Amino acid sequence: GDSVTQMEGPVTLSEEACLTINCTYTATGYPSLFWYVQYPGEGLQLLLKATKADDKGSNKGFEATYRKETTSFHLEKGSVQVSDSAVYFCALATGTASKLTFGTGTRLQVTL
Amino acid sequence: DAGVIQSPRHEVTEMGQEVTLRCKPISGHNSLFWYRQTMMRGLELLIYFNNNVPIDDSGMPEDRFSAKMPNASFSTLKIQPSEPRDSAVYFCASSLQGAKGEAFFGQGTRLTVV
Repeated sequence: GDSVTQMEGPVTLSEEACLTINCTYTATGYPSLFWYVQYPGEGLQLLLKATKADDKGSNKGFEATYRKETTSFHLEKGSVQVSDSAVYFCALATGTASKLTFGTGTRLQVTL
Repeated sequence: DAGVIQSPRHEVTEMGQEVTLRCKPISGHNSLFWYRQTMMRGLELLIYFNNNVPIDDSGMPEDRFSAKMPNASFSTLKIQPSEPRDSAVYFCASSLQGAKGEAFFGQGTRLTVV
């Protein structure tokens, strides 16, 4: 079945540091890939997406590139802020269904 | 739009009691999902509906769990009888069918069964 593997957290960074959260996937067919973010006490929000190989999704300074050859979709940001502290989920969807398969989430804490 | 609205935000109940969680999806969205989030198991899809019809309930853990969507603007998730291991945050999400994977989540219901 479909699955998503994310790097274990928590990740603790100083403000303005570079961020990479690794994500790899296993899927039948050609999935669409997503990063969702969950701020404390809230539901998940879509951060960015990519629907085909070599697509780059970007939003709020975050980027991720759909790498079919390595089945990866790593999340990156060049300079994190305290306000980026949250849990980040990598996810995929296949076929025509809208249902998502999520990774376990990676907690990011950014300190001053 | 107010987004996906879930109620209650918090629920504390005693083991054996019936619990009903409620969800109002975003108007116009025709897919609705119920997820459960725990520290041990992460985010699990319990059931999803397209156009008010249950499509996949393979994630519903036991017969104690049931979900309904009587119309396009309302869904319930019921647990009867509740058990301590049901304690979790339950999220409802909605999307446009065809907008693959682009779901809008509610703020969740934190359920504690004591």
